[in-house]
Amino acid sequence: AQSVTQLDSQVPVFEEAPVELRCNYSSSVSVYLFWYVQYPNQGLQLLLKYLSGSTLVESINGFEAEFNKSQTSFHLRKPSVHISDTAEYFCAVSGNTNAGKSTFGDGTTLTVKP
Amino acid sequence: DVKVTQSSRYLVKRTGEKVFLECVQDMDHENMFWYRQDPGLGLRLIYFSYDVKMKEKGDIPEGYSVSREKKERFSLILESASTNQTSMYLCASSSTGAQFYGYTFGSGTRLTVV
Repeated sequence: AQSVTQLDSQVPVFEEAPVELRCNYSSSVSVYLFWYVQYPNQGLQLLLKYLSGSTLVESINGFEAEFNKSQTSFHLRKPSVHISDTAEYFCAVSGNTNAGKSTFGDGTTLTVKP
Repeated sequence: DVKVTQSSRYLVKRTGEKVFLECVQDMDHENMFWYRQDPGLGLRLIYFSYDVKMKEKGDIPEGYSVSREKKERFSLILESASTNQTSMYLCASSSTGAQFYGYTFGSGTRLTVV
C-alpha cells in the first residue's frame, strides 16, 4: 500500500518569487511519482512524472521535481512563478507493479500574488 | 488529441432522483476511475474498473454504483440523489503495464442536488 502527504495545504507567494511544494510518500515497493495541476473548474492535468532514470524531471512550463529515495520525497519547485501558475497541485504515487492505480495527496493550493 | 470526456459540466438534480454521470475515453485504457472532490477533502475514490464488466469499490462507494459495458465507457450512478452528494465528480483513465504514464482526467461534472 502507498500513501502520500502534501505538507502544505496553502502556499501564497509573490509573482517572480521561487516556490517549493512539498510531497512525501510511503510505499513498500518501488514507485512511480506524479504531479498534477488543476486550474479552477477544470479536471486535473499531468504536470510531470518520474518513472525511472534521472531523478530530476522537468515540465514544459518551468516546474521541476526531484525524486529523493532516501527521504521518500518528490518536491515540486519553480524558480520564478507567474500569476498563471495559481492552481491546486496534487502529488500522486503508484507502486511500479504496473497496475495503473495511483494514490493522491490532499492537494496544495498555490496562490501567486502580484 | 486523446481525451476523457464527461457528458456534462454542470448538472442540477432533485433529491431522490436517479442520476447518471457518463464518461468516455478514446485511449483504449484498461482502467477507469470515478472520484469526487470536495473542498478540504482532496480526491476520494468512489469506484474503479480494470476491465469491461469488472469493478471494485473505492473509499466511498456508499450511495453509488457503476457500469462498464464497453471498454471506453464508465458510468457512475447515484441511485437516489441526496444533498450530501453535491460535489465535483472527476472521471479518469489509465493504462497498465509498460504503458502506464499516469492518469488522464476529464474536465469534471459539478453536480448540485437540491
